[in-house]
Amino acid sequence: LAKTTQPISMDSYEGQEVNITCSHNNIATNDYITWYQQFPSQGPRFIIQGYKTKVTNEVASLFIPADRKSSTLSLPRVSLSDTAVYYCLVGDDKIIFGKGTRLHILP
Amino acid sequence: NAGVTQTPKFQVLKTGQSMTLQCAQDMNHNSMYWYRQDPGMGLRLIYYSASEGTTDKGEVPNGYNVSRLNKREFSLRLESAAPSQTSVYFCASSEGTDSLGYEQYFGPGTRLTVT
Repeated sequence: LAKTTQPISMDSYEGQEVNITCSHNNIATNDYITWYQQFPSQGPRFIIQGYKTKVTNEVASLFIPADRKSSTLSLPRVSLSDTAVYYCLVGDDKIIFGKGTRLHILP
Repeated sequence: NAGVTQTPKFQVLKTGQSMTLQCAQDMNHNSMYWYRQDPGMGLRLIYYSASEGTTDKGEVPNGYNVSRLNKREFSLRLESAAPSQTSVYFCASSEGTDSLGYEQYFGPGTRLTVT
């Protein structure tokens, strides 16, 4: 099972683009990369998932380099409501959520 | 569709008491999970059920038992509650569990305090 490493916390300002990078050096060939968002007092919510290159949806983009040993979640033009914890999961996502990255958006 | 529902929302137990946390999903998912989340921490998997009729231990199974009653319902039982089990408990479900990474859908959580 691939282990992931992410920054513990990040601050940014409203309107900025935020990039959160996750490293997963031991990712297996068949593993997907999945990101979840969790607000206080709520369960995590799926944001985006990808296997390689770039994936974009209405909420975020996910950039995955060719070696797939890391991935970057990109949140365009963040607002105060994007303040949350963001988790990166690799592979069999039933197991390891880790502590995630606490993103704090400032006005 | 209600998604994943959990009952109760809050519960206070005394040490040694038992209780069952209920979880149900209406998305016809095969897999269901129970996690606990301690303050300021990530989620830790307690048990999961890959399909109806099967259950497996996760990272922190001690002190818990589970029952996959049918495809919709997955319950978590604390036989003799301890203060260390004070936590928020989340139930989740997904279509499958293989490394293709099926999206998990989470319930609203149960806040349990053991005194």
